[in-house]
Amino acid sequence: EIVLTQSPGTLSLSPGERATLSCRASQRVSSSYLVWYQQKPGQAPRLLIYDASTRATGIPDRFSGSGSGTDFTLTISRLEPEDFAVYYCQQYSRSQWTFGQGTKVEIK
Amino acid sequence: QLQLQESGPGLVKPSETLSLSCIVSGGSISSSGYYWAWIRQPPGKGLEYIGSFYYSGSTYYRPSLKSRVTISVDTSKNQISLKLTSVTAADTAIYYCASVTTVSNYFDPWGQGTLVTVSS
Repeated sequence: EIVLTQSPGTLSLSPGERATLSCRASQRVSSSYLVWYQQKPGQAPRLLIYDASTRATGIPDRFSGSGSGTDFTLTISRLEPEDFAVYYCQQYSRSQWTFGQGTKVEIK
Repeated sequence: QLQLQESGPGLVKPSETLSLSCIVSGGSISSSGYYWAWIRQPPGKGLEYIGSFYYSGSTYYRPSLKSRVTISVDTSKNQISLKLTSVTAADTAIYYCASVTTVSNYFDPWGQGTLVTVSS
C-alpha cells in the first residue's frame, strides 16, 4: 500500500498569504493519479486538483498543483476567507486508493 | 448530473453488522467504466478508503478491512450497499459513497455522508 504523508499538519496563515502544502508518497505515484481535495466542516470533500496539476471545474486559479514521483505540492497563491479548510491528497494504484492524513489551513 | 445519497441506521451495537445503502441518481450504476466506492471518516480524523465495486462485478477492498467488508450493487434499485461485520467503536465514522471512473481515478461526486455510531 502506498502511504501518503502530508505536511505540515496545520498551517496558520492570514488571508492574502500564500499557502504551500506538501504530500509525500512512500513509493512513486503516477502524476495522472495524484489528486487534491478540500473539506470544510460538515461537508463532503470537494475535488480541487486532479492529474497532480489540473484544476477541477469551477476551481479558482489561485489553486495550483505540482510535483511528480513521490513529492507533490498544493499551492494557494493568496488565501481567501473561504479557503480555510482541511486539504487531503489522494493517490490511486492497482485498484487501491489511499489518502494523506490531511493538512488543516487555519486563520492566524 | 450524477448524485449519490447514503442512508442507513445511525446507531449499531458492537459485534453487529453495519449496513448502509447509497442511491445513485442521474446515471446508471451499470454504466461501463465506473467504480462505486465507500469511504469513511472517523469524527475529527482523516479519510479512509473502504472498498469499491467495479461495474463489471469485481470488488476491491482495503486490505485491513477485507475480512469484514462486502460491497454489492442492486441494479434494479440503482443502489450500492455496504456491509461491515463485527463492528467496534473504531468503526464509528461518517460513511460516504462516491463514484470513480477508470479514466479519472478520483472520487467525484460524493454523497453527503451518513454518521454511524457504534455503541451499546
